[in-house]
Amino acid sequence: NAGVTQTPKFQVLKTGQSMTLQCAQDMNHNSMYWYRQDPGMGLRLIYYSASEGTTDKGEVPNGYNVSRLNKREFSLRLESAAPSQTSVYFCASRGLAGPRVEQFFGPGTRLTVL
Amino acid sequence: QKEVEQDPGPLSVPEGAIVSLNCTYSNSAFQYFMWYRQYSRKGPELLMYTYSSGNKEDGRFTAQVDKSSKYISLFIRDSQPSDSATYLCAMSPHAGNMLTFGGGTRLMVKP
Repeated sequence: NAGVTQTPKFQVLKTGQSMTLQCAQDMNHNSMYWYRQDPGMGLRLIYYSASEGTTDKGEVPNGYNVSRLNKREFSLRLESAAPSQTSVYFCASRGLAGPRVEQFFGPGTRLTVL
Repeated sequence: QKEVEQDPGPLSVPEGAIVSLNCTYSNSAFQYFMWYRQYSRKGPELLMYTYSSGNKEDGRFTAQVDKSSKYISLFIRDSQPSDSATYLCAMSPHAGNMLTFGGGTRLMVKP
């Protein structure tokens, strides 16, 4: 049981390049999330997926797209990277853990855009 | 004004001290309260989970919720250098709702 996994762990891009961040969870959770974390800004929600086949914008969606490929996988795509997208990206999944609803995070992807 | 406020710190304490970390919030609908611990260069991990008002204890950690004051706290007893991390509070109105996070407080416990 790996929980939430993310690839890659690190990435350096040039302005204008594109890339996809991958996320997978093995907890059979319905909800999945993408956050970015910047110094002094905390965790900000980019996009989320409440269930397979649905996606919705969060607080900071501009410049990103997402795909909920199946129940396990939720990817984040940067079509044309900008230096303002330099950040640490966290994927999370949320679902029942016994009697409670809990949210678990992946290890993060550190992205630098030059 | 942010919906959830948290002093960013850093908070520096000697080993063995009692640590108090706090969050204030403005949305009276919040009922589910969580504390996450995030080590440097790692993802946040769930530390404590409480519902509504009251206290919850887990080992050296105690979570306290005062809904009348819209104030939650995390106490760490006998703090250890391994407790050095950023602590984020998070909350939601219902179990299935999205979480609203505080900005995190960085804690440093010095040997």
